[in-house]
Amino acid sequence: DAGITQSPRHKVTETGTPVTLRCHQTENHRYMYWYRQDPGHGLRLIHYSYGVKDTDKGEVSDGYSVSRSKTEDFLLTLESATSSQTSVYFCAISEGGANQPQHFGDGTRLSIL
Amino acid sequence: GNSVTQMEGPVTLSEEAFLTINCTYTATGYPSLFWYVQYPGEGLQLLLKATKADDKGSNKGFEATYRKETTSFHLEKGSVQVSDSAVYFCALSPSTSGTYKYIFGTGTRLKVLA
Repeated sequence: DAGITQSPRHKVTETGTPVTLRCHQTENHRYMYWYRQDPGHGLRLIHYSYGVKDTDKGEVSDGYSVSRSKTEDFLLTLESATSSQTSVYFCAISEGGANQPQHFGDGTRLSIL
Repeated sequence: GNSVTQMEGPVTLSEEAFLTINCTYTATGYPSLFWYVQYPGEGLQLLLKATKADDKGSNKGFEATYRKETTSFHLEKGSVQVSDSAVYFCALSPSTSGTYKYIFGTGTRLKVLA
């Protein structure tokens, strides 16, 4: 299994508070991705990174920011959490190349009350 | 634009039945195609892949053939087990993307009854 660790695995917080989710990899892969998974929507890309300090937006980036200061860590921040951001968040990594698969972490279940 | 369409679930089968989960795609060029499986409480795991037309991906008794003429990548298994109960996702990686952003289907839940 690919070495991907997401933390925390579960979190409950209140509307308006900041939240940071962490993705840590031991594979030295260049590409990292943050997705959210919601019933009926499959996986939707929030942000991705193609190198240290190189990031770009996905399809549902509003309300989220990311940072990647080291190859192994990719942080997702909700500056002021809202109830609509209650979801399961997955990190994925890839070596890059159209025929290379993405490998996923076990997810973070985030509930915003 | 690029898109993936999967059949609606849930799909409910008896053990040892034949499984087909349909997946069709829209993409320019020659995308790579993938099937992932997700068990409860876990992340997605790569099940199989195909990177060019007529390729057949296979793993753990599951198969899928990349059909460019019908833009399809249907997942099949000859005899399902209770342990195959999970959510299955079809995905594509566009050949023209330099950032390797996948497009995922919405997932199909499979329930296998003993």
